Amino acid sequence: AQSVAQPEDQVNVAEGNPLTVKCTYSVSGNPYLFWYVQYPNRGLQFLLKYITGDNLVKGSYGFEAEFNKSQTSFHLKKPSALVSDSALYFCAVRDIRAGNMLTFGGGTRLMVKP
Amino acid sequence: DAGVTQSPTHLIKTRGQQVTLRCSPISGHKSVSWYQQVLGQGPQFIFQYYEKEERGRGNFPDRFSARQFPNYSSELNVNALLLGDSALYLCASSLVGGAGGNQPQHFGDGTRLSIL
Repeated sequence: AQSVAQPEDQVNVAEGNPLTVKCTYSVSGNPYLFWYVQYPNRGLQFLLKYITGDNLVKGSYGFEAEFNKSQTSFHLKKPSALVSDSALYFCAVRDIRAGNMLTFGGGTRLMVKP
Repeated sequence: DAGVTQSPTHLIKTRGQQVTLRCSPISGHKSVSWYQQVLGQGPQFIFQYYEKEERGRGNFPDRFSARQFPNYSSELNVNALLLGDSALYLCASSLVGGAGGNQPQHFGDGTRLSIL
């Protein structure tokens, strides 16, 4: 069975500093990986995906993610954090054996302080 | 273009009642999935429908059921509500379903269900 782990419940970073939100995964085949962001009282917004190809994936709002097959990781990064980036971030893996079903990690709360 | 729309936005029910939640996908999307997000946790997959057929089911009891209509909208029904069913119920749509395609799922803002 596939699974996703987000080892940090919360990440604190100062505005203007780089940020990293960690994600590791476990799947039996090739991973399809996604990052979503959730603002209070809202649904999930798609940020980026890794399907195949380049290990560095660029997404929305200046975010990018680095796929590392040997470490089974897919960490979310941004060179310069904004206060408005403060939100809940979810990593997800797609289970192709169950159609388009996504398995999510528990989420990481990002707090960017001015 | 309108995104995924869900109704109602909030709902309060009592234990033992039944509830129906509704979802309209993005225009052109044929696949709809339902997720349950309990406070403080990541979303958990409940169902996926594509072309009006169930294509996936998560580890939820038979009290949970769903269907997809010819216009690709969907309903999630939950019977005999329990306190533990209190959660945010999210609907997501994508262009295709099944094992084909790598399209991302796009989520609505959810229905907040509270069970008293």
